[in-house]
Amino acid sequence: DAGITQSPRHKVTETGTPVTLRCHQTENHRYMYWYRQDPGHGLRLIHYSYGVKDTDKGEVSDGYSVSRSKTEDFLLTLESATSSQTSVYFCAISTGDQEKLFFGSGTQLSVL
Amino acid sequence: GENVEQHPSTLSVQEGDSAVIKCTYSDSASNYFPWYKQELGKRPQLIIDIRSNVGEKKDQRIAVTLNKTAKHFSLHITETQPEDSAVYFCAASKTSYDKVIFGPGTSLSVIP
Repeated sequence: DAGITQSPRHKVTETGTPVTLRCHQTENHRYMYWYRQDPGHGLRLIHYSYGVKDTDKGEVSDGYSVSRSKTEDFLLTLESATSSQTSVYFCAISTGDQEKLFFGSGTQLSVL
Repeated sequence: GENVEQHPSTLSVQEGDSAVIKCTYSDSASNYFPWYKQELGKRPQLIIDIRSNVGEKKDQRIAVTLNKTAKHFSLHITETQPEDSAVYFCAASKTSYDKVIFGPGTSLSVIP
């Protein structure tokens, strides 16, 4: 699993509440990504990071923010969750040697 | 930015037949094209990738072809088996580290 874990695995929250999802890696990889997966849309890139405190926007960044204060952790925050943010969220890392994306197990987020 | 389209959205084949999934991309600067397989309830996993300096790549029963002039690439699965049933995603990026943009996916069903 390339040493990548996501937490929580499942979360139910109410509209308007803040939510933070965590992605943790144990192998010191530089590149980390957050995707959301919705039926009919595939995997859409939210934000990505090239290193500590070095992040950039993806395709669907509105309503999301990220932080990377340590190499091993990449946090995704929904400042005020909306029902349209109900989705499965995947974190991914890019390994240095194989140059491939390895995905975490995903977080199922439901915003009621 | 990059836009990746994928067809068909669903595909059903008899066991032993071949399956072909086609993708197009918009950014002529893209030169890395991975394919991911996602089984039900699991994370996406890389199955094969191709770079722009190569026209075709094979790995056992799967192969990928790339036509950079036409900006399209395809996944070919021969001698399909029930365990090939999954959602397949094509993707494109400028490098293997750059943001990877995915197509909407193809749900493949292999009928025994």
